Amino acid sequence: DTAVSQTPKYLVTQMGNDKSIKCEQNLGHDTMYWYKQDSKKFLKIMFSYNNKELIINETVPNRFSPKSPDKAHLNLHINSLELGDSAVYFCASSLGTSSRYNEQFFGPGTRLTVL
Amino acid sequence: KNQVEQSPQSLIILEGKNCTLQCNYTVSPFSNLRWYKQDTGRGPVSLTIMTFSENTKSNGRYTATLDADTKQSSLHITASQLSDSASYICVVKPSYDKVIFGPGTSLSVIP
Repeated sequence: DTAVSQTPKYLVTQMGNDKSIKCEQNLGHDTMYWYKQDSKKFLKIMFSYNNKELIINETVPNRFSPKSPDKAHLNLHINSLELGDSAVYFCASSLGTSSRYNEQFFGPGTRLTVL
Repeated sequence: KNQVEQSPQSLIILEGKNCTLQCNYTVSPFSNLRWYKQDTGRGPVSLTIMTFSENTKSNGRYTATLDADTKQSSLHITASQLSDSASYICVVKPSYDKVIFGPGTSLSVIP
């Protein structure tokens, strides 16, 4: 199936741990994104990569570090997890960044719970 | 400042009824506007895109309108079904900046 996939779907961990979320898209897109959706359901962009280059880096704690080994993958590593990091994290991709190609295709989300 | 607002925040309607969701934006210069549907536990999916020159666009029982002069868009759902229960997110693309997400409207369709 052509899609954006994320692993794991659920992640429960203790405060202070380090964890990673992986994302892969097989749509042939150039641009990938990480979003955080909080309990109020608001989607907030965290990072965006275009052809493996970081193009959007919102005000996010430096405990969050994205890594794009190639165009099809964008992983998110989180150090020293805090309670406030609990949320659903969505990966997305789009053909490009221009207006014509900005439809974003989202993964199923990773629900992170920090205890 | 570029912003997107949506109303109502939440809405409950009976199955079979129609409803209209609103999106107001203060984005300039404007490029396009998309409506996304997000089912519970899933990622958002694009329903429709509106560009500056388009007033109305339909996708099945979903009809989106755009008034670029007043910077307003609406999403009308006809003959609602239980499967329409979801969050509907308005996303606006400025010409030279990243997309801006609205806060969403949570729709519940009850039998």
